[in-house]
Order: sequence, then structure tokens, then C-alpha cells
Amino acid sequence: AQRVTQPEKLLSVFKGAPVELKCNYSYSGSPELFWYVQYSRQRLQLLLRHISRESIKGFTADLNKGETSFHLKKPFAQEEDSAMYYCATLGAGNQFYFGTGTSLTVIP
Amino acid sequence: DTGVSQDPRHKITKRGQNVTFRCDPISEHNRLYWYRQTLGQGPEFLTYFQNEAQLEKSRLLSDRFSAERPKGSFSTLEIQRTEQGDSAMYLCASSLGVNTEAFFGQGTRLTVV
Repeated sequence: AQRVTQPEKLLSVFKGAPVELKCNYSYSGSPELFWYVQYSRQRLQLLLRHISRESIKGFTADLNKGETSFHLKKPFAQEEDSAMYYCATLGAGNQFYFGTGTSLTVIP
Repeated sequence: DTGVSQDPRHKITKRGQNVTFRCDPISEHNRLYWYRQTLGQGPEFLTYFQNEAQLEKSRLLSDRFSAERPKGSFSTLEIQRTEQGDSAMYLCASSLGVNTEAFFGQGTRLTVV
């Protein structure tokens, strides 16, 4: 069964510092991995997916099959990045299986 | 707002009562999903529909839960004989098909007292 693990529930960084949110997956096949974000009082929304290999709002995530990881990174954190971040994998029916989430706080 | 909408946004009910939530997906989306989120957890998959067919149900969906999507448009999630453990945020999402982005509603927060 597909699983994603986010080991950090809370993460605080200073504005301008690099940020890395960790995600590890367990999956026997070729995983499809995503990062979703939820800003305060807003709905859950897609941030990026690994197959698109794009950078959204300065965030990138690289799939590392050797380490079974899909960490989310940004070189310079901004205050508006403060949010809840969820790593997710995709089931056969296009349903998502989410991690427990990491709450990111960017300190001014 | 042309996104996924859920009604009501909040519901407080007494233990043992039945509740029903509604989800209106984005109009052309044929897939609709229900999730449950409790404090400190990520959203947990409950069930999904392709058009009006319910294709998968999680083991989390006990026999007190039932979901319908009668005409392949809006969906309802009913919880019978609510328990305090049912208190959670219930999220609905829709997508245009497989391997496309799922768009989430703002959720219905259920509190069972």
C-alpha cells in the first residue's frame, strides 16, 4: 500500500533562510507524488507534482528513488510561505493518500 | 465562485443524530472524492465516485456512513447515529479524470456533542 511519512509536525525558519520539508514514501511501483498546501483559512490546494518538475512559488521537490524521498525545498523562505504542507501519493483511482502534514512558520 | 462548494460549513449535532453533508463539484468534473480530516492528521480518503458510480470505499467508512451521487453531479455524505469520534472536517474534492489535479472544497466541520 502507498504511504507517505512526514516526520516533522512543526518547522520554523527565519525569513530568507532555506527551508526543507521532508517527505518519505513507501511504494513498490513508480510513485506519483505531490505537495499540497493549505494557507490559513483557505482550502487545500495543489502546490506541485513530481512529474511536472516545475518550480511553484520558488518551491521545488525532487524525487529521490534511492532514499525514497520527495522533500520540498525553497532557498529563501518568505513570510507568506507560512502554511500547512502535505505530501501525498496517488492511488489507482486518483484518490490521494496524504501524510500527517508539516506546519511551517516563517519568522519575520 | 466556480470551485468545489460544500454545505454546510459547520454542523453541531447531538450524539445519535443523523447528519447529511452536500458537495457540489466543479461542473465538468466526473470524479468526486470524500475525505475526513481530524486534528493533527492529514486528510484520510473515504470514498470516491466516477460519475454516479461509487468505485471505492475505505475501511474507515463504517456502515453508519453512506455516500451518494445520484446524477453524477452533486454528492451527499450521510452519517447515521453520530458518535463523538465522528467529529472532524469532511472534505470533498473533484477532478476531471485520472492523473489530473483534484480541487478541494473548504470542508464541513462536524462537531458531535
